[in-house]
This record gives sequence, structure tokens and C-alpha cells, in this order.
Amino acid sequence: AQKITQTQPGMFVQEKEAVTLDCTYDTSDPSYGLFWYKQPSSGEMIFLIYQGSYDQQNATEGRYSLNFQKARKSANLVISASQLGDSAMYFCAMREGDGGYQKVTFGTGTKLQVIP
Amino acid sequence: DAGVIQSPRHEVTEMGQEVTLRCKLISGHNSLFWYRQTMMRGLELLIYFNNNVPIDDSGMPEDRFSAKMPNASFSTLKIQPSEPRDSAVYFCASSPGLAGGLPYEQYFGPGTRLTVT
Repeated sequence: AQKITQTQPGMFVQEKEAVTLDCTYDTSDPSYGLFWYKQPSSGEMIFLIYQGSYDQQNATEGRYSLNFQKARKSANLVISASQLGDSAMYFCAMREGDGGYQKVTFGTGTKLQVIP
Repeated sequence: DAGVIQSPRHEVTEMGQEVTLRCKLISGHNSLFWYRQTMMRGLELLIYFNNNVPIDDSGMPEDRFSAKMPNASFSTLKIQPSEPRDSAVYFCASSPGLAGGLPYEQYFGPGTRLTVT
């Protein structure tokens, strides 16, 4: 079974609109963390946001927020007020376990295109 | 502060040749990760080190691949002999681990684009 599933290969959004990128995960470990990374066409991987499994509140970082629904095992990324520079690939990822073990599994990504 | 540094940025080599990719961690980070990205397989973890010790190398494709951390700030990924199917972008990432900051955040280098002909 896939540990991280991103069902949207591609998305379009109008500039200044909000967009939600879907991510579901599969784990039986009670301690885990969820990440979102952005990869622009230039190729670098940029960390956006992190949510720990025990965090009580949804993570937010500027225009990015993570809609964490633990019972549904979903960790959707919400980008508010989209900008042209948001056009990129977006990867959801998960770290499982505790005690410092840091292996991270990445999803297949969603390509977001912001339309002027 | 300098981020993760990778060299070379681009490498073109012929099948059968040895390839060495290099990575310099962010100062103070104690975890190092090597990833491979291809269109077909996405982003795959090859190996990760913590405090210079390999923790998980289950993603290393086969014996042709080897990775080392000769010191706390530097790592190499070697492919010998290289094959066309090794063509990919190889990323190195470092993390502060539990030492500080967001412990599990990984800072990625710019990647090395490897082409094996």
C-alpha cells in the first residue's frame, strides 16, 4: 500500500484564488509527521510546512496552511491568495516513528499551475 | 548561511564509468539523506546517515551504489559502474535531527543531474 497518496497529478488555479492540494497517508504508527515541499521548475526542493501527529492545531506558515484531519488520514495543503510564483510541483511527505528516526516517504506530487 | 552544497551540478558520463557525487551538510546538522528523483519513480530515499552512521540503506538500488560520510560535514555517493538507468537527479539533504530547530525538517541541496549514456 502506498504510504502517501496524492491523487491530483495536476491542478489549475486562478491568481489570487485559494487552492487545496490533497494528500492522504497510511500508517499504523501513532507518532508521525507530515510535510509539504515545493519544487519549482528550477529543481530545488523547498520546505513549506510541517504537522506533527500530536499537534493540536493545524499548522500555518504565511499563505500556507495544512488541513490535518487525523481520523481521515488526510493532510491537505491550502494555499491562499495564489501567486504566479506558486506554480510548481508540490510533494506531500511523511515521517514515521519516533526516537529520532527520520526516514521520510514522499508522494508522487501535484503540479500546480497558477493562471494570470 | 550556506545551504547544502552539492557538486557537480551536472554530470554526463559513459556507461561503465565511475561517478562520484559530493555533498556538504549545513553546519551543525547531524543527519544526511541521499535521494534520487526520476519521472518514473518519483523521489526515492537511497540512504540516510545520523551522526556519520548509516541508519537506513534499504533504498540503495544495488551493490553498484555506495555512500560514505568520512566526516560530520561531508558525504559522497558513488556509482561504479554506472548504467543508463542511473540517469536521474540526485539530491542530498541535511537535517538538524533532534539537536535543534524543527527536528525533522530536511534542507535540500540543488541536486546533481546525472546522465549516463
